[in-house]
Formats: sequence, C-alpha cells, structure tokens
Amino acid sequence: GDSVTQMEGPVTLSEEAFLTINCTYTATGYPSLFWYVQYPGEGLQLLLKATKADDKGSNKGFEATYRKETTSFHLEKGSVQVSDSAVYFCASNTGRRALTFGSGTRLQVQP
Amino acid sequence: DTEVTQTPKHLVMGMTNKKSLKCEQHMGHRAMYWYKQKAKKPPELMFVYSYEKLSINESVPSRFSPECPNSSLLNLHLHALQPEDSALYLCASSQDPGQCWEQYFGPGTRLTVT
Repeated sequence: GDSVTQMEGPVTLSEEAFLTINCTYTATGYPSLFWYVQYPGEGLQLLLKATKADDKGSNKGFEATYRKETTSFHLEKGSVQVSDSAVYFCASNTGRRALTFGSGTRLQVQP
Repeated sequence: DTEVTQTPKHLVMGMTNKKSLKCEQHMGHRAMYWYKQKAKKPPELMFVYSYEKLSINESVPSRFSPECPNSSLLNLHLHALQPEDSALYLCASSQDPGQCWEQYFGPGTRLTVT
C-alpha cells in the first residue's frame, strides 16, 4: 500500500538556520504530494503542494520539489524563524482513498 | 476562501452522554472527511463522504455515527464513548473525490471523555 516516511524529530534549530525535513513516499501510480503544518492546538494547514514530477511547491519561504527518481519531497527553508515552530506532516494522495500521512516532524526554533 | 469551520472547539462529555460535532464548508467541495488525531500522531482517517454518500468507513466503532445532511455540512454523532476516544477530531474537505486534490482542514474539536 501507499506510505510516507519522514525523518524523526524533534528538529531543533537556531533562528535564521537552514531547514531540511526529509520525506520519501511509496505509491502505486502518480500521487500528488503535500506538506501540511500544525501549530499547537490547531488543525492542519496546507503549506505547499506539487502534483507531478519536477514540480516545485513554495509558500512563505518554504519549498519542496517532487523528485520521482528518488521518490522524495523534502521540505526546505533558507532561514527559519521562531514562528515556524510547529509539527510538519508530509502527505501523498493517489486519489484512491484519502491522504496518506507521514508520522510528522516537530520543529523547534530557538531565538 | 478555503475555510472549513468546526464546532464546538472543545467538548467534555461523560461516557453516557450523546453529543454531536459539526463541520461546514462553503467551497463547493464534494468530498468531506472525518479524522481522529491523538497527541504526537498523524491524523487517522475515520470516514469519507463522496457526493453526500458515505464511501469509506475505516472500521470505526458504531458509537461514532457520521451524517452528511447536505453538500456543505458534515456531522459526527457521538454516543457511549470511552475515555480512549479522547482526541482531536478534524474535519476536512476536497474538491472532488477520487482525484489527487489537496484537503482543507478545520481547526478541530478537542474531545475529552470522562
């Protein structure tokens, strides 16, 4: 079946550091890929998406590129802020069922 | 507008109570979802409604009863819950079932069963 694997957290960074959160997927067919962010006590917000190979999703300084050859969709940001502290979920959707989520990665940014 | 609303925000109920969670979207989406999320875990799919009809039930206990009165509304009726049902319940919607669309989530209802 479909699955998404994310790097274990928590990831702790200083403000203005570079962020990478790794995500790989397995799927039958050609999924769309997403990053969602969840702030404490809130629901999930769509951060960015990519629907086909080599697409780059971007939003609020975050980027991720759909790499079919490595089945990856790593999240990056050049300079993190304290306000980026949250849990980040990578997800895939092949259209057969619903979103398949990774386990989530907690990001803590220190001033 | 990509807003999904959920009420109530918090709910405390006893094991003999009956309560309902409500979800609403006005984006014209034809697929709606209920998820359950425990602390430090990803959301787990419970139910999927496709064009107002229940299309997926992930073997959820019958003490959870979903209802879709119209294309904009989704309810989750709760009865005789157990303490282990305490969790964040998330509603989501997407444009078209069976396609690879993104889902938009509501803020959730934090449920505590005492």
